[in-house]
Amino acid sequence: SYELTQPPSVSVSPGQTATIPCSGDKLGNKYACWYQQKPGQSPVLVIYQDTKRPSGIPERFSGSNSGNTATLIISGTQAMDEADYYCQAWDRSTVVFGTGTKVTVL
Amino acid sequence: EVQLVESGGGLVQPGRSLRLSCAASGFTYDEYAMHWVRQAPGKGLEWVSGVTWNSDTTVYADSVQGRFTISRDNARTSLYLQMNSLRAEDTALYYCVKDISTTISGDLAFGVWGQGTMVTVS
Repeated sequence: SYELTQPPSVSVSPGQTATIPCSGDKLGNKYACWYQQKPGQSPVLVIYQDTKRPSGIPERFSGSNSGNTATLIISGTQAMDEADYYCQAWDRSTVVFGTGTKVTVL
Repeated sequence: EVQLVESGGGLVQPGRSLRLSCAASGFTYDEYAMHWVRQAPGKGLEWVSGVTWNSDTTVYADSVQGRFTISRDNARTSLYLQMNSLRAEDTALYYCVKDISTTISGDLAFGVWGQGTMVTVS
């Protein structure tokens, strides 16, 4: 079955850039999405179709997808961005989520 | 305001059945595919099942294929998940989720999530 791998954790200082990779076989040939989940809350879509931001999502969130890796970039990271982040893709009639990355803003 | 409100969760013994419901409001329900996604306590997200806007296509995760059935009633703007032969590993918070599209394909994304309903199999 298809797998998406993310680092368990990423640390970033306030105002700096956080980069969260998501790896999967030929992931660049598929669309990738990203979700943010804060403790005790439901997930929120922050990036879809590799690079698009839903309305209401700050511009500091951006995405890319090429080769075997999709990447979520948070520019000018704020304390409110501390959360778990999950990538997601579609493979052979199945939705696959990544393993999740906890972003800590130190 | 777009709202998805799940219900029907609870404590159930292994091997028994449970039916989850999701009441949708605030959007044109029959224009979107819908899904169920679950999250075991302290774990990551796991997609369970999806249904297209007109119910002509349903898809399932391998882990629930043959045991769970997704359905929708567009007149009642509701989504359902019939869960049979429940196992301990089905214990999770079950989210009702609105797709950004009418169909289920490679460009799908989960645009709106409910608060979830907890299912405990023990």
